[in-house]
Amino acid sequence: SYVLTQPPSVSVAPGKTARITCGGNNIGSKSVHWSQQKPGQAPVLVIYYDSDRPSGIPERFSGSNSGNTATLTISRVEAGDEADYYCQVWDSNSDHYVFGTGTKVTVL
Amino acid sequence: EVQLVESGGGLVQPGGSLRLSCTAFGFTFSSYEMNWVRQAPGKGLEWVSYISISGSTIYYADSVKGRFTISRDNAKNSLYLQVNSLRAEDTAVYYCARESSLGEHLIDFWGQGTLVTVSS
Repeated sequence: SYVLTQPPSVSVAPGKTARITCGGNNIGSKSVHWSQQKPGQAPVLVIYYDSDRPSGIPERFSGSNSGNTATLTISRVEAGDEADYYCQVWDSNSDHYVFGTGTKVTVL
Repeated sequence: EVQLVESGGGLVQPGGSLRLSCTAFGFTFSSYEMNWVRQAPGKGLEWVSYISISGSTIYYADSVKGRFTISRDNAKNSLYLQVNSLRAEDTAVYYCARESSLGEHLIDFWGQGTLVTVSS
Protein backbone atom coordinates (compact mmCIF):
# COMPACT_ATOMS: atom_id res chain seq x y z
CA SER A 1 0.00 0.00 0.00
CA TYR A 2 1.05 3.58 -0.61
CA VAL A 3 2.74 5.28 2.34
CA LEU A 4 3.19 8.99 3.08
CA THR A 5 5.86 9.95 5.60
CA GLN A 6 5.99 13.25 7.49
CA PRO A 7 8.33 14.45 10.24
CA PRO A 8 6.60 14.11 13.62
CA SER A 9 7.32 17.69 14.61
CA VAL A 10 8.58 21.04 13.35
CA SER A 11 9.41 23.96 15.59
CA VAL A 12 9.60 27.53 14.32
CA ALA A 13 9.93 31.00 15.78
CA PRO A 14 7.22 33.58 15.11
CA GLY A 15 7.80 35.43 11.86
CA LYS A 16 9.99 32.69 10.44
CA THR A 17 9.23 30.05 7.81
CA ALA A 18 8.07 26.51 8.53
CA ARG A 19 8.50 23.77 5.94
CA ILE A 20 6.68 20.47 6.35
CA THR A 21 7.60 17.61 4.05
CA CYS A 22 5.52 14.68 2.87
CA GLY A 23 7.46 11.84 1.33
CA GLY A 24 6.04 9.17 -0.95
CA ASN A 25 7.13 7.07 -3.88
CA ASN A 26 6.89 9.29 -6.96
CA ILE A 27 4.48 11.57 -5.12
CA GLY A 28 5.16 14.21 -7.75
CA SER A 29 2.87 12.28 -10.07
CA LYS A 30 -0.06 12.63 -7.67
CA SER A 31 -2.16 15.56 -6.48
CA VAL A 32 -1.32 16.37 -2.86
CA HIS A 33 -3.64 18.13 -0.44
CA TRP A 34 -2.86 19.50 3.02
CA SER A 35 -5.12 19.89 6.04
CA GLN A 36 -4.61 21.72 9.31
CA GLN A 37 -6.06 20.37 12.55
CA LYS A 38 -6.06 22.35 15.77
CA PRO A 39 -6.63 20.57 19.11
CA GLY A 40 -10.20 19.40 19.56
CA GLN A 41 -11.23 20.59 16.11
CA ALA A 42 -11.97 19.01 12.75
CA PRO A 43 -9.36 19.26 10.00
CA VAL A 44 -9.48 22.22 7.63
CA LEU A 45 -8.17 22.13 4.06
CA VAL A 46 -5.34 24.65 3.57
CA ILE A 47 -3.74 23.57 0.26
CA TYR A 48 -5.16 21.47 -2.56
CA TYR A 49 -3.81 20.22 -5.87
CA ASP A 50 -0.25 20.69 -4.62
CA SER A 51 -0.30 24.49 -4.41
CA ASP A 52 -3.82 25.97 -4.60
CA ARG A 53 -5.35 27.75 -1.60
CA PRO A 54 -9.03 27.58 -0.66
CA SER A 55 -10.73 30.90 -0.15
CA GLY A 56 -10.04 32.28 3.30
CA ILE A 57 -6.64 30.64 3.68
CA PRO A 58 -3.84 33.22 4.03
CA GLU A 59 -1.29 33.63 1.25
CA ARG A 60 1.32 32.69 3.85
CA PHE A 61 0.40 29.07 3.13
CA SER A 62 1.92 27.61 -0.03
CA GLY A 63 2.73 24.20 -1.41
CA SER A 64 4.95 22.41 -3.91
CA ASN A 65 5.32 18.84 -5.13
CA SER A 66 8.08 17.17 -7.12
CA GLY A 67 9.82 13.84 -7.28
CA ASN A 68 9.36 11.97 -4.03
CA THR A 69 8.56 14.95 -1.80
CA ALA A 70 5.71 17.40 -1.37
CA THR A 71 6.19 20.42 0.84
CA LEU A 72 3.84 22.72 2.74
CA THR A 73 5.43 26.07 3.50
CA ILE A 74 4.10 28.49 6.08
CA SER A 75 5.71 31.93 5.81
CA ARG A 76 5.75 34.56 8.54
CA VAL A 77 4.52 32.01 11.04
CA GLU A 78 2.01 33.17 13.66
CA ALA A 79 1.01 31.65 17.00
CA GLY A 80 -2.34 30.70 15.46
CA ASP A 81 -0.59 28.40 12.98
CA GLU A 82 0.26 25.97 15.78
CA ALA A 83 -1.52 22.76 14.79
CA ASP A 84 -1.14 19.30 13.30
CA TYR A 85 -0.75 19.18 9.53
CA TYR A 86 -1.58 16.20 7.32
CA CYS A 87 -0.83 15.56 3.67
CA GLN A 88 -3.32 13.51 1.70
CA VAL A 89 -3.44 11.78 -1.69
CA TRP A 90 -5.76 9.46 -3.55
CA ASP A 91 -4.02 6.21 -4.47
CA SER A 92 -5.64 5.11 -7.72
CA ASN A 93 -3.90 1.73 -7.56
CA SER A 94 -5.85 0.74 -4.47
CA ASP A 95 -8.79 3.20 -4.67
CA HIS A 96 -7.92 4.39 -1.20
CA TYR A 97 -7.27 7.76 0.35
CA VAL A 98 -3.90 7.87 2.06
CA PHE A 99 -3.02 10.34 4.80
CA GLY A 100 0.44 11.27 5.91
CA THR A 101 1.59 10.46 9.42
CA GLY A 102 1.05 14.06 10.51
CA THR A 103 3.37 16.84 11.65
CA LYS A 104 2.91 18.90 14.80
CA VAL A 105 3.98 22.49 14.25
CA THR A 106 5.06 24.28 17.40
CA VAL A 107 5.53 28.03 17.44
CA LEU A 108 8.32 28.88 19.86
CA GLU B 1 -23.23 27.81 5.65
CA VAL B 2 -21.90 24.35 4.92
CA GLN B 3 -22.33 21.96 7.84
CA LEU B 4 -21.88 18.24 8.37
CA VAL B 5 -23.36 17.01 11.64
CA GLU B 6 -22.44 13.52 12.83
CA SER B 7 -24.32 11.48 15.42
CA GLY B 8 -24.68 7.94 16.68
CA GLY B 9 -21.39 7.46 18.48
CA GLY B 10 -21.09 6.09 21.99
CA LEU B 11 -19.74 3.36 24.21
CA VAL B 12 -20.10 -0.16 22.87
CA GLN B 13 -18.72 -3.53 23.92
CA PRO B 14 -16.28 -5.47 21.73
CA GLY B 15 -18.21 -7.34 19.08
CA GLY B 16 -21.04 -4.82 19.19
CA SER B 17 -22.54 -2.58 16.52
CA LEU B 18 -23.47 1.03 15.95
CA ARG B 19 -24.95 3.09 13.13
CA LEU B 20 -23.29 6.44 12.59
CA SER B 21 -25.17 9.19 10.78
CA CYS B 22 -24.13 12.43 9.13
CA THR B 23 -26.61 15.08 8.05
CA ALA B 24 -25.60 17.74 5.56
CA PHE B 25 -26.69 21.36 5.55
CA GLY B 26 -25.94 24.33 3.33
CA PHE B 27 -25.09 22.52 0.10
CA THR B 28 -26.67 20.11 -2.38
CA PHE B 29 -25.77 16.81 -0.72
CA SER B 30 -26.92 14.75 -3.72
CA SER B 31 -24.21 16.35 -5.86
CA TYR B 32 -21.25 15.33 -3.71
CA GLU B 33 -19.26 12.18 -3.11
CA MET B 34 -18.70 11.48 0.57
CA ASN B 35 -16.28 9.74 2.93
CA TRP B 36 -15.81 8.62 6.50
CA VAL B 37 -12.44 9.27 8.14
CA ARG B 38 -11.50 8.34 11.68
CA GLN B 39 -8.92 9.40 14.24
CA ALA B 40 -7.96 7.27 17.21
CA PRO B 41 -7.17 9.20 20.41
CA GLY B 42 -3.84 10.97 20.06
CA LYS B 43 -3.27 9.45 16.62
CA GLY B 44 -3.39 10.56 12.99
CA LEU B 45 -6.14 10.52 10.41
CA GLU B 46 -7.22 7.23 8.85
CA TRP B 47 -9.53 7.05 5.84
CA VAL B 48 -12.36 4.53 6.34
CA SER B 49 -14.72 4.54 3.37
CA TYR B 50 -15.92 6.35 0.24
CA ILE B 51 -19.27 6.44 -1.52
CA SER B 52 -20.15 7.93 -4.90
CA ILE B 53 -23.08 10.27 -5.50
CA SER B 54 -25.47 7.50 -6.51
CA GLY B 55 -24.04 4.98 -4.06
CA SER B 56 -23.06 2.66 -6.88
CA THR B 57 -19.32 2.90 -6.16
CA ILE B 58 -18.02 2.16 -2.68
CA TYR B 59 -14.52 1.65 -1.31
CA TYR B 60 -13.29 0.57 2.12
CA ALA B 61 -10.02 0.59 3.98
CA ASP B 62 -8.64 -2.90 4.44
CA SER B 63 -8.92 -2.53 8.23
CA VAL B 64 -12.73 -2.26 8.10
CA LYS B 65 -13.69 -4.20 4.98
CA GLY B 66 -16.34 -6.81 5.73
CA ARG B 67 -17.29 -5.18 9.05
CA PHE B 68 -18.36 -1.65 8.09
CA THR B 69 -20.99 -0.61 5.53
CA ILE B 70 -21.32 2.88 4.08
CA SER B 71 -24.60 4.11 2.60
CA ARG B 72 -26.45 7.32 1.84
CA ASP B 73 -29.97 8.68 1.46
CA ASN B 74 -29.89 11.70 -0.83
CA ALA B 75 -33.55 12.49 -0.11
CA LYS B 76 -32.64 12.90 3.57
CA ASN B 77 -29.29 14.62 2.95
CA SER B 78 -27.71 11.89 5.03
CA LEU B 79 -24.67 9.63 5.05
CA TYR B 80 -24.42 6.52 7.20
CA LEU B 81 -21.82 4.09 8.47
CA GLN B 82 -22.95 0.77 9.91
CA VAL B 83 -20.12 -0.50 12.09
CA ASN B 84 -20.24 -4.15 13.16
CA SER B 85 -17.94 -6.57 14.98
CA LEU B 86 -16.29 -3.67 16.73
CA ARG B 87 -12.82 -4.02 18.19
CA ALA B 88 -10.87 -1.94 20.68
CA GLU B 89 -8.79 -0.57 17.82
CA ASP B 90 -11.92 0.91 16.22
CA THR B 91 -12.11 3.42 19.09
CA ALA B 92 -11.87 6.80 17.40
CA VAL B 93 -13.59 10.01 16.43
CA TYR B 94 -15.40 9.33 13.17
CA TYR B 95 -15.59 12.27 10.77
CA CYS B 96 -17.98 12.68 7.89
CA ALA B 97 -16.05 14.31 5.03
CA ARG B 98 -17.22 15.82 1.78
CA GLU B 99 -15.37 15.54 -1.51
CA SER B 100 -14.81 18.62 -3.60
CA SER B 101 -16.83 19.09 -6.77
CA LEU B 102 -13.63 19.95 -8.66
CA GLY B 103 -13.49 16.54 -10.27
CA GLU B 104 -10.64 14.70 -8.53
CA HIS B 105 -10.59 12.96 -5.20
CA LEU B 106 -10.18 15.76 -2.69
CA ILE B 107 -11.77 16.05 0.75
CA ASP B 108 -12.60 19.72 1.15
CA PHE B 109 -14.85 19.81 4.21
CA TRP B 110 -15.15 17.85 7.45
CA GLY B 111 -17.80 17.54 10.13
CA GLN B 112 -16.97 17.86 13.83
CA GLY B 113 -17.00 14.11 14.39
CA THR B 114 -18.67 11.57 16.66
CA LEU B 115 -16.74 9.50 19.19
CA VAL B 116 -16.96 5.72 19.18
CA THR B 117 -15.49 3.97 22.20
CA VAL B 118 -15.16 0.20 22.15
CA SER B 119 -14.61 -1.17 25.63
CA SER B 120 -15.97 -3.75 28.03
